[in-house]
Amino acid sequence: AQKITQTQPGMFVQEKEAVTLDCTYDTSDPSYGLFWYKQPSSGEMIFLIYQGSYDQQNATEGRYSLNFQKARKSANLVISASQLGDSAMYFCAIRVKGAQKLVFGQGTRLTINP
Amino acid sequence: DAGVIQSPRHEVTEMGQEVTLRCKPISGHDYLFWYRQTMMRGLELLIYFNNNVPIDDSGMPEDRFSAKMPNASFSTLKIQPSEPRDSAVYFCASKFGRSPINSQETQYFGPGTRLLVL
Repeated sequence: AQKITQTQPGMFVQEKEAVTLDCTYDTSDPSYGLFWYKQPSSGEMIFLIYQGSYDQQNATEGRYSLNFQKARKSANLVISASQLGDSAMYFCAIRVKGAQKLVFGQGTRLTINP
Repeated sequence: DAGVIQSPRHEVTEMGQEVTLRCKPISGHDYLFWYRQTMMRGLELLIYFNNNVPIDDSGMPEDRFSAKMPNASFSTLKIQPSEPRDSAVYFCASKFGRSPINSQETQYFGPGTRLLVL
């Protein structure tokens, strides 16, 4: 079975600073994908970034990047130059190859202070 | 392009009543997922369909829950009878599952239905 652990229930960051949200995972499957989603107060789940287990480079999408350390089984999300609109819940999720189910962590609530 | 559409966005009902949640997946997507989000259990998969066929319903809590997908553009999740512990946000998600090389196959979520059972 797969498991995602997000150890930071909440984080407070000053606007324009970079922030790292932690995610560690557990799976015995060598082929898997890691996803980050953002859930603002309005409730929708917004896909941010994806990292495949065999990807050679860390994924990047605009201000989002993924610090993927396979040996440590961590996939931390880095948000550069944080903005007030980044305040939201952030969820890390894993899906192993051949399976369809996304397994989510408990999430981290990020608050950006002006 | 339209994303995943869910209705209603909010539902308040009384215990014992039937509740029907609706979902329209992104056009062309061949997988559809129903998730439930609660404070206690987080996000959990209830059931998913592939090409309108239910594949895995092991997450459905009990017989009071049922889901159907009569065609590629519509799915329902029904709770009958509803109970207060069913109060949660119910998400529908869809994805295109036939990417030849890219295994990303991202699931795109709808806005959710916030259900309150009194």
